[in-house]
Amino acid sequence: AQKVTQAQTEISVVEKEDVTLDCVYETRDTTYYLFWYKQPPSGELVFLIRRNSFDEQNEISGRYSWNFQKSTSSFNFTITASQVVDSAVYFCALSVLSSGSARQLTFGSGTQLTVLP
Amino acid sequence: GAGVSQSPRYKVAKRGQDVALRCDPISGHVSLFWYQQALGQGPEFLTYFQNEAQLDKSGLPSDRFFAERPEGSVSTLKIQRTQQEDSAVYLCASSNNRDSGNTIYFGEGSWLTVV
Repeated sequence: AQKVTQAQTEISVVEKEDVTLDCVYETRDTTYYLFWYKQPPSGELVFLIRRNSFDEQNEISGRYSWNFQKSTSSFNFTITASQVVDSAVYFCALSVLSSGSARQLTFGSGTQLTVLP
Repeated sequence: GAGVSQSPRYKVAKRGQDVALRCDPISGHVSLFWYQQALGQGPEFLTYFQNEAQLDKSGLPSDRFFAERPEGSVSTLKIQRTQQEDSAVYLCASSNNRDSGNTIYFGEGSWLTVV
């Protein structure tokens, strides 16, 4: 079975601060995919990034960066110079390549990020 | 359409009433998923279709829940004899190939409240 843990339930920062959202996952599969989604108050889950288990390179996209470390089963997400529009719930999710339920995502419980002006 | 479209966006049902939630996936996407998201929680998998075939329904919480996708495009999630614990956001998602790593795109959800 797969499990994703987001230990931070809520985080508040002041605008322009950097913030890191933690994600720890559990799986016995050697091939898997990790995702981050953003959920604004409107409810739609907005895709941010996908990373496969064979690619441990960190990635940067504008103010967003991701740190994938297989040794600690972590896939952390950092927002640099946060903005009020970054306020949302952020979900980390895991998908494994296996038979049967090969396609489903297992989500963490989410981190509510509030960026104060 | 440009994104995954769900209707109704909001539904209030009396306990015991049947409800039907509709999902229109991104055009051409063969895979379609339904997730249930309780307040303050992450989404939980309900069921998965590849074209019209329902390949996985292991997440459906009871036999009151039924999903279909008869022509391989639009899908309907039906909940019979709704109970208060069915109150949640029901998210539909789609993706365009069979690779489990392919990106899954979500709709805005149908917010169901059972009173």
